[in-house]
Amino acid sequence: ETGVTQTPRHLVMGMTNKKSLKCEQHLGHNAMYWYKQSAKKPLELMFVYSLEERVENNSVPSRFSPECPNSSHLFLHLHTLQPEDSALYLCASSHFTGPSTDTQYFGPGTRLTVL
Amino acid sequence: QKEVEQNSGPLSVPEGAIASLNCTYSDRGSQSFFWYRQYSGKSPELIMFIYSNGDKEDGRFTAQLNKASQYVSLLIRDSQPSDSATYLCAVDTGNQFYFGTGTSLTVIP
Repeated sequence: ETGVTQTPRHLVMGMTNKKSLKCEQHLGHNAMYWYKQSAKKPLELMFVYSLEERVENNSVPSRFSPECPNSSHLFLHLHTLQPEDSALYLCASSHFTGPSTDTQYFGPGTRLTVL
Repeated sequence: QKEVEQNSGPLSVPEGAIASLNCTYSDRGSQSFFWYRQYSGKSPELIMFIYSNGDKEDGRFTAQLNKASQYVSLLIRDSQPSDSATYLCAVDTGNQFYFGTGTSLTVIP
């Protein structure tokens, strides 16, 4: 496979469930990102990992927990979500973060519905 | 003030016409500017990026950057129905990537 892949593509979960989203990039990039895309809103950056170190984003609720075990894989662990968390969750990767940020390439996204 | 602003549209143009999409940004120190296309239900895909003032052409697409006016635009020549999508402007300030809300474009056959 090439590019950025995400699984699952669709997920329906109850508010008490625990689930995880997975992202894998095959581009040799060293930075990975989680975005949330809700209707009529701009893409919201949730988390950034550069060289497997996390850049904090304090505005993200603790019910979202990222994990980056290596430069090719990124997870988003979900627990006790709310219906307003229903959205498209996009993973992206790039060569750098910061002043030398290169183009970000996106995965296909996971469409999450919280009941 | 939003970091990146775009008219949400919808913008409608007839097939074969030029579509003009505009974007303004607030951080004067922004360094890189990107245009993404997003079809309904799909993830964004990169069309063009531009770093320097002036025009950059790639096929039917031309990106224009004016840093003094904090303005970046995308022109699509000879618009095709397949160009119908939402176009997202993105700006790299050096600290973070910001996206606009996107402009919905419809090309009418």
